[in-house]
Amino acid sequence: AQSVTQPDIHITVSEGASLELRCNYSYGATPYLFWYVQSPGQGLQLLLKYFSGDTLVQGIKGFEAEFKRSQSSFNLRKPSVHWSDAAEYFCAVAAGNSGYSTLTFGKGTMLLVSP
Amino acid sequence: NAGVTQTPKFQVLKTGQSMTLQCAQDMNHEYMSWYRQDPGMGLRLIHYSVGAGITDQGEVPNGYNVSRSTTEDFPLRLLSAAPSQTSVYFCASSYSRHLLTDTQYFGPGTRLTVL
Repeated sequence: AQSVTQPDIHITVSEGASLELRCNYSYGATPYLFWYVQSPGQGLQLLLKYFSGDTLVQGIKGFEAEFKRSQSSFNLRKPSVHWSDAAEYFCAVAAGNSGYSTLTFGKGTMLLVSP
Repeated sequence: NAGVTQTPKFQVLKTGQSMTLQCAQDMNHEYMSWYRQDPGMGLRLIHYSVGAGITDQGEVPNGYNVSRSTTEDFPLRLLSAAPSQTSVYFCASSYSRHLLTDTQYFGPGTRLTVL
């Protein structure tokens, strides 16, 4: 069965500093990977997704993620964090039959941004 | 359009009571799903539907029923609430089950407490 591990429960970053959130996956076939963001009291919003092609994926809000098959990782990055980026971030892997109909989420990483 | 809407936003139940969490979308999406979110657990799939009249179980279906009589609505029923069902519930929808190409949109959530 597929699984996703986000090793960091909380991360604190200074505003303007760079950010990297870690995600490791376990899946027998080619993984299809996603990053979502959840602002306080809100639902989840898709930041970016990877399913083939270039291993560096660009998303919304200035985020990017790099797929590394050799390390089973899909880390999320941002060069300069803004206070509005404070939220919880979830990595997910899609699995199933050819429809890829279900998502398995990691437990999330809470990002705190200090002034 | 309103996107994915959920009602109520908050609910408190006593053990053994029943209730229905409502979910509706106005985007003509075929695929809808219910997740629960618990602290430190990420999101876990409860049930999903690939179209009107078709539903299937996710990772944690016990204690929950669903039906899909129309494309727009996908209610989640708790027949006899238990404290273990205290959680935040999210409904999501996408045009199809192919999450690689179709973005999944999440509702704002229902926070349920079972005493």
